[in-house]
Parts: sequence; structure tokens; C-alpha cells
Amino acid sequence: AQSVTQPDIHITVSEGASLELRCNYSYGATPYLFWYVQSPGQGLQLLLKYFSGDTLVQGIKGFEAEFKRSQSSFNLRKPSVHWSDAAEYFCAVGWRDTGFQKLVFGTGTRLLVSP
Amino acid sequence: DVKVTQSSRYLVKRTGEKVFLECVQDMDHENMFWYRQDPGLGLRLIYFSYDVKMKEKGDIPEGYSVSREKKERFSLILESASTNQTSMYLCASSLSGILVDTQYFGPGTRLTVL
Repeated sequence: AQSVTQPDIHITVSEGASLELRCNYSYGATPYLFWYVQSPGQGLQLLLKYFSGDTLVQGIKGFEAEFKRSQSSFNLRKPSVHWSDAAEYFCAVGWRDTGFQKLVFGTGTRLLVSP
Repeated sequence: DVKVTQSSRYLVKRTGEKVFLECVQDMDHENMFWYRQDPGLGLRLIYFSYDVKMKEKGDIPEGYSVSREKKERFSLILESASTNQTSMYLCASSLSGILVDTQYFGPGTRLTVL
């Protein structure tokens, strides 16, 4: 079965420092990969997605992610974190199953930004 | 901007009550979804609908049902609420397939069952 692992439950980063959130997936074929962000009291918002082409994907709010097939990873990065980036981040993998398109989400990583 | 609204942000119900969670989207999207979000478990799909009056079970449909009588509205029904259904419920919609089209989420309903 398809699965997504986000090994870090919480991460604390100083404002202005770089950020990398880890995501590993389990899926046999070429996956569709997503990163979502959930700010406090809000629904999820799509940051970026990958399904083919350039393995380095640019998203909104200055985020990027790199697909590495050999490591089954899709890590999210940002060069300089802002206090407003404090939120929960979810990685997801998508696939087609008997005519339907499905997503499975990771358990999330909560980002705390210190001054 | 796409807007997905949910009828309540917070809801408190008693065990055994019938509970309705309502979701409305304003962008004529074909697909609508209900997820529950629990700490340490992420988001899990309960039901989804790809057209009016059509529904498909997700990964955890037990104890839930859904209704989609109009394209813009997707309701989640807890026939007899139980304490293990205390959770955050998120509704989402997409124009068509979620692998290609963006899935837009509502702000969530935090349901507590006493």
C-alpha cells in the first residue's frame, strides 16, 4: 500500500535560518507528490506539487522541493524562514486506483520559528 | 478565489446524536471530499463525491454517510455520534482529478462528542 513518512513531528528553526522538512514515500510507479501547509485555524493550502519533469519544483511563499527517486524522497526546503511560516506541513502522495485519483497524507511536521 | 465554507468551526454533541456537517464550495467543482484530521495520524479520507448524487468510500467510512444533492454542497452525516468520532473534519473540493487540479480545503469543523 502507498504510504508517506514524515519522520519529524516538530522542528524549531530560527527566523532567517534555512529549513528542510523530510518526506519519504512508498509507491512502485512514478508518484504524484504534494506539499501542503496548514496555518493555525486554517484549512490546508497547496504549496507545490511534482508529477514529471524537472525534479526541483518551485512553489508559493518561497518554498521548493526536490524529488529524488533513488531515495524515495520529496523534501521541502526554504532558504530563509519567516515567522509567518510557523505552521503544520503535510506531504502527500497521489496515484490512480481503479479509475479514481487518490491521495494519502503523511502525519505532518509542525514548524516552530524562534526569534 | 475559490471558497470552501463549512457550516461550523466548533461543534459539541452528545453520544448517540445524529450530526450533520455541511460544506459548500462556490467554484462549480466536480469533486468534493471529507477528511478527518487527528494528531499523529494526519488526514484520512472518509468519503468523496465526483458528481451530484455520486459517492465513493474513502479509507475510513465506517460510522459515516454522505449526501450530495446539489453540486455545490456535500454533507457528512454521523448517524449516531460516538466519542471516537471526536476530531477535526476538513472538507475539500477540486475542479476534476486531484492529481492535476488543486484541492481546496475549508477551515475545518472541530467536533467534540461527549
